[in-house]
Amino acid sequence: AQSVTQLGSHVSVSEGALVLLRCNYSSSVPPYLFWYVQYPNQGLQLLLKYTTGATLVKGINGFEAEFKKSETSFHLTKPSAHMSDAAEYFCAVSPMIYNQGGKLIFGQGTELSVKP
Amino acid sequence: GAVVSQHPSWVICKSGTSVKIECRSLDFQATTMFWYRQFPKQSLMLMATSNEGSKATYEQGVEKDKFLINHASLTLSTLTVTSAHPEDSSFYICSARGRSDRGTIAPRGDTQYFGPGTRLTVL
Repeated sequence: AQSVTQLGSHVSVSEGALVLLRCNYSSSVPPYLFWYVQYPNQGLQLLLKYTTGATLVKGINGFEAEFKKSETSFHLTKPSAHMSDAAEYFCAVSPMIYNQGGKLIFGQGTELSVKP
Repeated sequence: GAVVSQHPSWVICKSGTSVKIECRSLDFQATTMFWYRQFPKQSLMLMATSNEGSKATYEQGVEKDKFLINHASLTLSTLTVTSAHPEDSSFYICSARGRSDRGTIAPRGDTQYFGPGTRLTVL
């Protein structure tokens, strides 16, 4: 079974500061890991994903995340926050085994606020 | 690439009526589509998984007779909320996943691409 825990339902940073959104997962099989962003009243947009290979994954809008198997973590970072980064961020896990249906298990979400 | 649309983007209906929401993959073939429900300030709750040409698989606690899902083609899935009631008011989001690839140009089967969502309000 898979599960995702996002530490902190709300994170506030100043514009230009480092963004760190934490995600820990539990999975009995090798996981695929995802970060999605959701702006108000919109669907989810894929920021980045880890499937196999390099554990440091770069995504859109300057975000990146590192898969750390030993820590079962997939934290999302961005060196310098922009006002437009204010949104809800969801970490998700999916079993790597395709025939398990590809369901996404979402964390509870972290709302990122960016102060001027 | 990998664009998913939903229609309508919002709908208001009277209690007791039925509402149909469409989810389309615009530039790829979606072998699997997922329907989620999201309450304000909460995460997404998976309602059901639909595979093209077969019956949808519903998550525990989701009434299949109330939330009818049809996945008639590789680019279209529909969710019909039957006899809607105010408690069905929510944000409904679909996602689509392409064929499992081994290097094709189609969206990878490991990634779900989400539609923009449909806001349903039942009066």
